[in-house]
Amino acid sequence: AQSVTQLGSHVSVSEGALVLLRCNYSSSVPPYLFWYVQYPNQGLQLLLKYTTGATLVKGINGFEAEFKKSETSFHLTKPSAHMSDAAEYFCAVTGSARQLTFGSGTQLTVLP
Amino acid sequence: GAGVSQSPSNKVTEKGKDVELRCDPISGHTALYWYRQSLGQGLEFLIYFQGNSAPDKSGLPSDRFSAERTGGSVSTLTIQRTQQEDSAVYLCASSTSDQGSSYNEQFFGPGTRLTVL
Repeated sequence: AQSVTQLGSHVSVSEGALVLLRCNYSSSVPPYLFWYVQYPNQGLQLLLKYTTGATLVKGINGFEAEFKKSETSFHLTKPSAHMSDAAEYFCAVTGSARQLTFGSGTQLTVLP
Repeated sequence: GAGVSQSPSNKVTEKGKDVELRCDPISGHTALYWYRQSLGQGLEFLIYFQGNSAPDKSGLPSDRFSAERTGGSVSTLTIQRTQQEDSAVYLCASSTSDQGSSYNEQFFGPGTRLTVL
């Protein structure tokens, strides 16, 4: 069984500041981990994924995440926030089952 | 089409009515998923299809919910005797299928927003 915890349902950052969205997971098997972004009234778009190999993964729009097995974490970062980054972000995990298990989401606000 | 499409985009219905939600996956994608996104429960898995078969229905919340897939393509999610707690956005996703792999990227549609009055 898998579960995901996202710390902070709302995060606000200033434009140009570091973005850090936290995700911790629980999995009974080696996990595959994902970050998705959802813009208003749109579906989910994959930002990045960890399957195997390098633990630091880079995604679209300048985002990256690091898989830390010892901390069961997969935090999402971006060095410099843009106004266009304002959206809801979901961390997800899958293991032996094919469906995704999602966290509760983090709404990112970027302040001018 | 280029992506996953869902119809209708919005559906308002009265409590007790039946509704059908449609999903057109990306051409050639053999795996199809339904998820529900609601304020109280977040994003939840409902059902997974491989071809026309549904090996995992574990997320369907009650026997009022059913889904089918025909021709390995279009899927319909049916909710009978709708209740107010069924109000949510219903998302469909599709992926290729690689036997032995538990990961194939899921591509999501824009969702159907269901409101039960």
